[in-house]
Amino acid sequence: AQSVTQPDIHITVSEGASLELRCNYSYGATPYLFWYVQSPGQGLQLLLKYFSGDTLVQGIKGFEAEFKRSQSSFNLRKPSVHWSDAAEYFCAVRSSGGYQKVTFGTGTKLQVIP
Amino acid sequence: DTAVSQTPKYLVTQMGNDKSIKCEQNLGHDTMYWYKQDSKKFLKIMFSYNNKELIINETVPNRFSPKSPDKAHLNLHINSLELGDSAVYFCASSQERYPDTQYFGPGTRLTVL
Repeated sequence: AQSVTQPDIHITVSEGASLELRCNYSYGATPYLFWYVQSPGQGLQLLLKYFSGDTLVQGIKGFEAEFKRSQSSFNLRKPSVHWSDAAEYFCAVRSSGGYQKVTFGTGTKLQVIP
Repeated sequence: DTAVSQTPKYLVTQMGNDKSIKCEQNLGHDTMYWYKQDSKKFLKIMFSYNNKELIINETVPNRFSPKSPDKAHLNLHINSLELGDSAVYFCASSQERYPDTQYFGPGTRLTVL
């Protein structure tokens, strides 16, 4: 069964610093991978997704993620964090073909300090 | 011009009651979902409907019954509410051709006393 692990429950970074949020997946074939962001009191918003092709994907709000099959990882990065990036970030995986559910990780809460 | 809307935003009720949460999307999407997010922020899919047809039904107590009167609406009815039902419930939608770009509603925080 597919699964996603986000090893960091909580991360604190200074505004302007770089950010990397870790995500490891478990799935037999090539997975479909996603990062979503949830601002306080809001629903989730898709940041970026990977289906195939270039392993470095660009998303909204200046985020990018890199798919590394050898490490079963799909880490999210941003070169310079803004205070408005403080939120909960969820990595998700979906198996290919037909109507397959999306499995979400447990989330990483990002705190940004001035 | 809200894309995915849910009502109510907050719902506080007593154990044993029956309640409904409504969801509407104006994106023209074919597929809608219900998710449950617990106090630890764990997000788990409950149901998915495509063109009013149930396509995903996770292991959810049969006290939970989704109803899709049309493609734009997916309501969630819960019978005999229990303390463990307290959570935030999110509705989402997606185009069938792009089933993975899901658009989420703002959530309904359900508190069962």
